[in-house]
Amino acid sequence: AQSVTQLDSHVSVSEGTPVLLRCNYSSSYSPSLFWYVQHPNKGLQLLLKYTSAATLVKGINGFEAEFKKSETSFHLTKPSAHMSDAAEYFCVVSEDVGSARQLTFGSGTQLTVLP
Amino acid sequence: EAQVTQNPRYLITVTGKKLTVTCSQNMNHEYMSWYRQDPGLGLRQIYYSMNVEVTDKGDVPEGYKVSRKEKRNFPLILESPSPNQTSLYFCAGQGARSGANVLTFGAGSRLTVL
Repeated sequence: AQSVTQLDSHVSVSEGTPVLLRCNYSSSYSPSLFWYVQHPNKGLQLLLKYTSAATLVKGINGFEAEFKKSETSFHLTKPSAHMSDAAEYFCVVSEDVGSARQLTFGSGTQLTVLP
Repeated sequence: EAQVTQNPRYLITVTGKKLTVTCSQNMNHEYMSWYRQDPGLGLRQIYYSMNVEVTDKGDVPEGYKVSRKEKRNFPLILESPSPNQTSLYFCAGQGARSGANVLTFGAGSRLTVL
């Protein structure tokens, strides 16, 4: 069985400082991992995905995440936060590459960016 | 533009009054699914459909029905809504040729059951 834990429900950073959103996963197989972002009153949008290629994955808007199998982590980072990054972020794990049926969502991290 | 369209976006109803939330996609996706989002719980899958006339339960199907009579539409039906179905609902689609398990989401439908 797979599971995903987002370690912080809320993260607050100042504009221009680094962002770190933490995600740990549990999977019996080699998982696929994703980060989605949800801006207020919007649907979820894919930020980036890991599917067993390079362990450092670059996404949109300057975000990246590193797959660390030994630590079962997939933390999301950005060197410099922008006000437009304020949103809710979801870490997602999947064991079955062929079917979105097996996606498991984390509970979300709300990112606040202070001026 | 690839889109998943949900209607209504906002709805307030009363207990027991049947309602339908529509979902339509223009991407020719085989796979479609419905999720509900509740604070602190992330997204939980209600039902999914692998193709026309093929549907199956997700993690929280109680109190919901779906149908998939044509590829582009996947309505969510609440036959007798109850207050615990007050939530934010998302429809999503994925094509067989898209990247591994990447979903395209609708903008969401916020439902309040009084």
